[in-house]
Amino acid sequence: AQTVTQSQPEMSVQEAETVTLSCTYDTSESDYYLFWYKQPPSRQMILVIRQEAYKQQNATENRFSVNFQKAAKSFSLKISDSQLGDAAMYFCAYRMNRDDKIIFGKGTRLHILP
Amino acid sequence: DVKVTQSSRYLVKRTGEKVFLECVQDMDHENMFWYRQDPGLGLRLIYFSYDVKMKEKGDIPEGYSVSREKKERFSLILESASTNQTSMYLCASSPSGALAYEQYFGPGTRLTVT
Repeated sequence: AQTVTQSQPEMSVQEAETVTLSCTYDTSESDYYLFWYKQPPSRQMILVIRQEAYKQQNATENRFSVNFQKAAKSFSLKISDSQLGDAAMYFCAYRMNRDDKIIFGKGTRLHILP
Repeated sequence: DVKVTQSSRYLVKRTGEKVFLECVQDMDHENMFWYRQDPGLGLRLIYFSYDVKMKEKGDIPEGYSVSREKKERFSLILESASTNQTSMYLCASSPSGALAYEQYFGPGTRLTVT
């Protein structure tokens, strides 16, 4: 069975600094997607970034980038120049290509210190 | 913009009551999902619907049922609410197949069963 593990329940970072959130996953599939979702306090969950497993190049979206290590089954999220609005719960998630369901990790709560 | 709405943000019910949580999406998505979110446990899939009147059990279906009579609407039913069903409930929708690389979430319903 596929699993997604986020080993950091909470993290804090100073505003304007860089922070990395860790995620590992377990799968025997070769064709899959990985995601980071953001859930701000009392607001809707939104997709931050997506990585297709067949792509070697790491995905980037403005200040957000990933470090995708397929062999190690690791998928970390780097947030550069952290802003107060980045404070949220972040979920790492996995979907195999032949299934529409997504498996979520337990989340990492990120605090931004002014 | 995709919009997923849920009928209530906050709901308080008594033990033994029948509870209906409604979710509506406006993007003609085939897939709809109900999740339960609890601290330290992340998001857990309750039920998944891939078409009108079609459903599939998720990881924690016990004590819940669902209904999808129209494509845009997916209801979660607690036949006899219990205190251990106090939780945040999230609805999501997505296209199917190759386009199912993102789920769109509603704002959530925080249910308290007393």
